[in-house]
Amino acid sequence: KAGVTQTPRYLIKTRGQQVTLSCSPISGHRSVSWYQQTPGQGLQFLFEYFSETQRNKGNFPGRFSGRQFSNSRSEMNVSTLELGDSALYLCASSQTGGGTEAFFGQGTRLTVV
Amino acid sequence: EDQVTQSPEALRLQEGESSSLNCSYTVSGLRGLFWYRQDPGKGPEFLFTLYSAGEEKEKERLKATLTKKESFLHITAPKPEDSATYLCALQIQGAQKLVFGQGTRLTINP
Repeated sequence: KAGVTQTPRYLIKTRGQQVTLSCSPISGHRSVSWYQQTPGQGLQFLFEYFSETQRNKGNFPGRFSGRQFSNSRSEMNVSTLELGDSALYLCASSQTGGGTEAFFGQGTRLTVV
Repeated sequence: EDQVTQSPEALRLQEGESSSLNCSYTVSGLRGLFWYRQDPGKGPEFLFTLYSAGEEKEKERLKATLTKKESFLHITAPKPEDSATYLCALQIQGAQKLVFGQGTRLTINP
């Protein structure tokens, strides 16, 4: 059974640009969550999608957005990048999102210069 | 406010020296507590889910326990390959998200 796949693995962007990250969940999983991980703040919740609907959103500015497609694949977008957006972005998939085990991808390492 | 605190922040052990990691929490309603292991540059790897006080789960040298206020991850006779950051996360009632602790960085010296 294939795991959670995130692409790309590494990205370098310039301040002011925008970026799109992709996540393919485990087959059969309908919930996809996104997290940002930094050395100072640890893992922080961005948003969660289930059956193409955003069910929960964390305390991040509107520059961070996401969506989910009918095949459960998800994308997140960050517009007008800032230096502070440099982080490891992690995607997690679970069957329903409600108390069931969440499995993470390897993450996308975003560096903003 | 829902909070998760892990201690210690870092722990160095000799190979074979058993110890425990702590995850204490204050939440309005706990749906589940998760333990993950994370190696540098990689995503967290799922270890255990605990749902109710008194529950215990085991996997190889690891054993997780849960009380009403905290969880412990016991490591018995660890090996160097157990070196990693161990993360505790909570899922709160009515919220489709995990709240993570800051993690415990564990180093096992041969």
